[in-house]
Amino acid sequence: GAVVSQHPSWVICKSGTSVKIECRSLDFQATTMFWYRQFPKQSLMLMATSNEGSKATYEQGVEKDKFLINHASLTLSTLTVTSAHPEDSSFYICSARKRTSVLNTGELFFGEGSRLTVL
Amino acid sequence: AQSVTQLDSHVSVSEGTPVLLRCNYSSSYSPSLFWYVQHPNKGLQLLLKYTSAATLVKGINGFEAEFKKSETSFHLTKPSAHMSDAAEYFCVVRPGNQFYFGTGTSLTVIP
Repeated sequence: GAVVSQHPSWVICKSGTSVKIECRSLDFQATTMFWYRQFPKQSLMLMATSNEGSKATYEQGVEKDKFLINHASLTLSTLTVTSAHPEDSSFYICSARKRTSVLNTGELFFGEGSRLTVL
Repeated sequence: AQSVTQLDSHVSVSEGTPVLLRCNYSSSYSPSLFWYVQHPNKGLQLLLKYTSAATLVKGINGFEAEFKKSETSFHLTKPSAHMSDAAEYFCVVRPGNQFYFGTGTSLTVIP
């Protein structure tokens, strides 16, 4: 199967510090990765679309300088929350799409999510 | 315009009884449709998907869904609920390269 690993699962940090979350596709190449934010009891909110080797495309209202996304390889994308504040506390989830192939059935494969708590 | 509507934000069933989670969509194209399940503090796991093959799709853990174009629906069902089915369920539509998420249905299973 297709496995997406997200790390760390839980992170607590002080206000003003930066936190990096990694999203790795373990057994497939992902040309596109997506980053979501999920508030309690709500659906996923797409933050940005990350394409390997190019700049991420951010959704309206998402600060690109606040949420830095890097997709340096076909198996790794990172989200860095810069100068984190308590309102950035949330559950962040990544997902990946397989590189286009005849076996690509188009679904997204999700990481396990990262719970960020900013004190 | 594309959209996904999950008609029930919360469904409660007794263990051993049938489950029905409803999803309607609107799409300008023939979409692919997915159901995902999310357990607390976890990512989303794919239950099943429709990609223009058979309209009745069987997934994992005894779930299935039927694509009904005339009704623009893709309801998720299971004949007999299990306690482990308690989770959040998301209907997702992919008309092209974009994915559209429903607002989710929280399933409670009563022992």
